Amino acid sequence: GAVVSQHPSWVICKSGTSVKIECRSLDFQATTMFWYRQFPKQSLMLMATSNEGSKATYEQGVEKDKFLINHASLTLSTLTVTSAHPEDSSFYICSARAPRTLNTEAFFGQGTRLTVV
Amino acid sequence: DAKTTQPPSMDCAEGRAANLPCNHSTISGNEYVYWYRQIHSQGPQYIIHGLKNNETNEMASLIITEDRKSSTLILPHATLRDTAVYYCIVRVPFRTGFQKLVFGTGTRLLVSP
Repeated sequence: GAVVSQHPSWVICKSGTSVKIECRSLDFQATTMFWYRQFPKQSLMLMATSNEGSKATYEQGVEKDKFLINHASLTLSTLTVTSAHPEDSSFYICSARAPRTLNTEAFFGQGTRLTVV
Repeated sequence: DAKTTQPPSMDCAEGRAANLPCNHSTISGNEYVYWYRQIHSQGPQYIIHGLKNNETNEMASLIITEDRKSSTLILPHATLRDTAVYYCIVRVPFRTGFQKLVFGTGTRLLVSP
């Protein structure tokens, strides 16, 4: 079945630095990808929708200059957390919209746990 | 997208059927019911979806009431590995146009030995 791969699975960074998270669709082309953030014991919160070749659409309250999203190809979207602070520590999950031929709607990456110290 | 209501938590004994309810009283005619689950520290996993007929696959069964205002996800023989948070989402399919995939609070299912 279709697979979405996130990299890295976990990362620890110093406060003030930037971190890039990659989301790849391994065996299908994904024109639309979604980025979520999840705090402990909470549900997934949609941050933004990424469309290949165009600007991402951010949800209300999500700073687009802090969470930079690039969807330069049909198989890769990246999320860069700029000038990270401890409050940005969270579990970040990407999702790719599945091809129409498949029965599911979206495939999810395994998530990236970001810890800012 | 229609709002859904799920119990925050449920328990189930291993080997028994787990029945997870979801209320979606404001569902509209072209909205489907989707179920995903999230095992701890992993990304969500698709389980099943349906419009108005009951559906079954290798993972679960989905029972949708005739008025479509509620549904039940059934795991026929729950195992310890089914312990997860289960999300019920009601929305129109992606193929009908551009939408988001938004998660509610879900039901935390604990399967015990």
